[in-house]
Amino acid sequence: GENVEQHPSTLSVQEGDSAVIKCTYSDSASNYFPWYKQELGKGPQLIIDIRSNVGEKKDQRIAVTLNKTAKHFSLHITETQPEDSAVYFCAASGLSGTYKYIFGTGTRLKVLA
Amino acid sequence: DAGVTQSPTHLIKTRGQHVTLRCSPISGHKSVSWYQQVLGQGPQFIFQYYEKEERGRGNFPDRFSARQFPNYSSELNVNALLLGDSALYLCASSPAVQGRASQYFGPGTRLTVL
Repeated sequence: GENVEQHPSTLSVQEGDSAVIKCTYSDSASNYFPWYKQELGKGPQLIIDIRSNVGEKKDQRIAVTLNKTAKHFSLHITETQPEDSAVYFCAASGLSGTYKYIFGTGTRLKVLA
Repeated sequence: DAGVTQSPTHLIKTRGQHVTLRCSPISGHKSVSWYQQVLGQGPQFIFQYYEKEERGRGNFPDRFSARQFPNYSSELNVNALLLGDSALYLCASSPAVQGRASQYFGPGTRLTVL
């Protein structure tokens, strides 16, 4: 069945270090992979996404990589700052005709000042 | 520009009652999806509507229903509430149902069932 696994569940890094979160999806039909940041008491905020015809995408300190063969995609945050502390969710989508997202279980990132 | 708005922000109900949650999408967006997020987990897909038609349904019981209005706003209804329905209910809008357009989430409605 459809499934997205996300690791690690928690991640603590020192301010200025890099953080990497990894996801694996099961449905080979998936072709769109967004990443969301969710702060306490708020809805998920789209921070970056990647489509299956692209291997890597970068936006300032954030980058996402996609390995379609291995069904892996990863979020990379460089030069982390305290305000990056939040829960991050990956998702996979692309089932024909719907926008059903399958979300990972989330990673709680804590950036230590 | 206004983002996705949801009302109410918080809601407390008792078992057996019903609830209606409301969502207004980003201006120009025609697709609305509903998700349930239980504490500590990722959002789970409930429904997707596009141009007032249901385009997708997740693995939720028939107690859950939704509709989309001509102005593209949407309601999620839950009947015969159970304790397990306590969750954050999220609405997301996107400009299209296909083409891999991004979804943008609202702040959610926190439902507590006692």
